Amino acid sequence: DAKTTQPTSMDCAEGRAANLPCNHSTISGNEYVYWYRQIHSQGPQYIIHGLKNNETNEMASLIITEDRKSSTLILPHATLRDTAVYYCIVRVAPTQGGSEKLVFGKGTKLTVNP
Amino acid sequence: KAGVTQTPRYLIKTRGQQVTLSCSPISGHRSVSWYQQTPGQGLQFLFEYFSETQRNKGNFPGRFSGRQFSNSRSEMNVSTLELGDSALYLCASTPGQQNTEAFFGQGTRLTVV
Repeated sequence: DAKTTQPTSMDCAEGRAANLPCNHSTISGNEYVYWYRQIHSQGPQYIIHGLKNNETNEMASLIITEDRKSSTLILPHATLRDTAVYYCIVRVAPTQGGSEKLVFGKGTKLTVNP
Repeated sequence: KAGVTQTPRYLIKTRGQQVTLSCSPISGHRSVSWYQQTPGQGLQFLFEYFSETQRNKGNFPGRFSGRQFSNSRSEMNVSTLELGDSALYLCASTPGQQNTEAFFGQGTRLTVV
């Protein structure tokens, strides 16, 4: 079973920031938080990952709470092409004895409206 | 560099038949994972291969099997197909020993009739 909880769906206006929450209250100290998204009928696409520090890349920002029990993915200026299902996943890094296995939950269906 | 390539993209099979799907990972990547996606169950992990060895396995019946070749290309096989095997089958490629992202292919859409 997935170790994360996400809202089923969210809406966002085009051009505004989309903030997608994820609860992972049972996360272990060596587990990373990963975010992927899946646009309809395509393979999932990696967005970002982090351990405890906030992370930013060209796609998004990841804010992890100090206790690491939850995180928020931020798309700073959402576009219509960001409409997708967003998955939050926790896992141990392969470099620390984990495997490449990803356990997907139901994710959040984000709809960006014009 | 080229992405993850899955063939074929679409496939229609009859119940009882068997099917083989192929996945070519990104050059240099040694790990290939397979996933099944259905509307009811979502994305579920099937198995992972690293350097020609199965490193992890999901909770699927023995009808689902896979293998990996020395060039890291992988195949998965489903025997005695059932209607419930209709799904999008996705493979993901990673270097295998680094904490990096997985790159997914476009998937093979299998329909069992």
